[in-house]
Parts: sequence; structure tokens; C-alpha cells
Amino acid sequence: AQTVTQSQPEMSVQEAETVTLSCTYDTSESNYYLFWYKQPPSRQMILVIRQEAYKQQNATENRFSVNFQKAAKSFSLKISDSQLGDTAMYFCAFIETGANNLFFGTGTRLTVIP
Amino acid sequence: DTEVTQTPKHLVMGMTNKKSLKCEQHMGHRAMYWYKQKAKKPPELMFVYSYEKLSINESVPSRFSPECPNSSLLNLHLHALQPEDSALYLCASSHGHPQAFFGQGTRLTVV
Repeated sequence: AQTVTQSQPEMSVQEAETVTLSCTYDTSESNYYLFWYKQPPSRQMILVIRQEAYKQQNATENRFSVNFQKAAKSFSLKISDSQLGDTAMYFCAFIETGANNLFFGTGTRLTVIP
Repeated sequence: DTEVTQTPKHLVMGMTNKKSLKCEQHMGHRAMYWYKQKAKKPPELMFVYSYEKLSINESVPSRFSPECPNSSLLNLHLHALQPEDSALYLCASSHGHPQAFFGQGTRLTVV
């Protein structure tokens, strides 16, 4: 069975600093996708970044980047130049290629401090 | 249009009431999902519709009844709910790729 683990329930970072959120997952599949979703107080789940397992290159989206270690089954999110608007719950998620069920981790609540 | 629209945004209902949640998308997505999210917890999958047919039902109680009238619309009919069913109900859609687009959710309170 697939599991996604986020070991940091809460984190905080000073504005303009860099923070890294951790995620590990367990699967026997070789083809899958990993995501980081952000859920601000407005409640909507917003996709931050995605990584295809077959790609060795780490995904980046502006201030957001990942460190994808397939052998270690690790998928951390780095947020550079943190902004107040980054304050939110962050969920790591996993889906097998061709499947419909998105598995979420338990989330990390990130607070950006002015 | 890259939006998934959910109505209502908030709903308070009694345990004997019947109500429905609505979800709409016009992105041509052929898979639509209902998730339930309790406070400070991750979303949990309830139902998946693929090409307007129910493909996954994650052992959800029958007091929750999904319906997919067409490829753009997904409903969740609620009847005889319990206070523990109070949660945020999220709708999502996807097609041809694994990325799911989520709506803003309906905050349901059962009294």
C-alpha cells in the first residue's frame, strides 16, 4: 500500500528566508507522480509543484523547488525568499501512473513570520 | 477556464435534512472526485467518477449519494447525516494527466 509521511507538523520561517519541508513515501511502483499542494485559509488546494518519477531532474517553479531522491523515496520542497502569502498548510501527495487515487501526507503547517 | 466551482460555500443542516452539494468544471475533464477533509487532516477520497461512471467508492456510508449528471457536473446528495460528518467537502477534476484541480470546498456543519 502507498503511504506518504510528512514528519514536520508545523514549521515557521522568517520572511525572505529559505525553508525546506520534508516528505517521504512508500511504494512498490516504479511509475508515479509526486506533488506538493498548498492549502491557505481560503481552503482551496493549489498545486505548487509536481515531479514525474521517471525524470531525474528536480522540478522547479519560480521560488519553489524539490529535491527528489527516488532511491530514498524522499521528496522535499524548498521555498526560497519566503513571502507572507506562503503561509498555509502544505500537503505532499502521490499518485500511481494511470490511477485515480491521490494519496496525501498529513500536512505541514508553515507560518511565514514578518 | 481553469476553475472547479463548488456551491454552496457553507452549509448548515439538521440530521433529518436532505441537501446537495454541487461541483462544476468546464475544462473538459473526464474524471471528477469527492474528498472529505476534517480539520487539520489531509483530504480523504470518497468517490471517483470516470467518464460519468462511478469507478471508486471508498466504502462511504449510504447517507452520502454521489451523482454525475453530465461530464461537467458532480453532485453529492446528503441525507440523515451525523454530526461527525461535519467537514470540508472538496471536489476535484482531472483528465489525461494526474494533476487534480480542486474547488474551494463546501464547509458542512451537521447540527
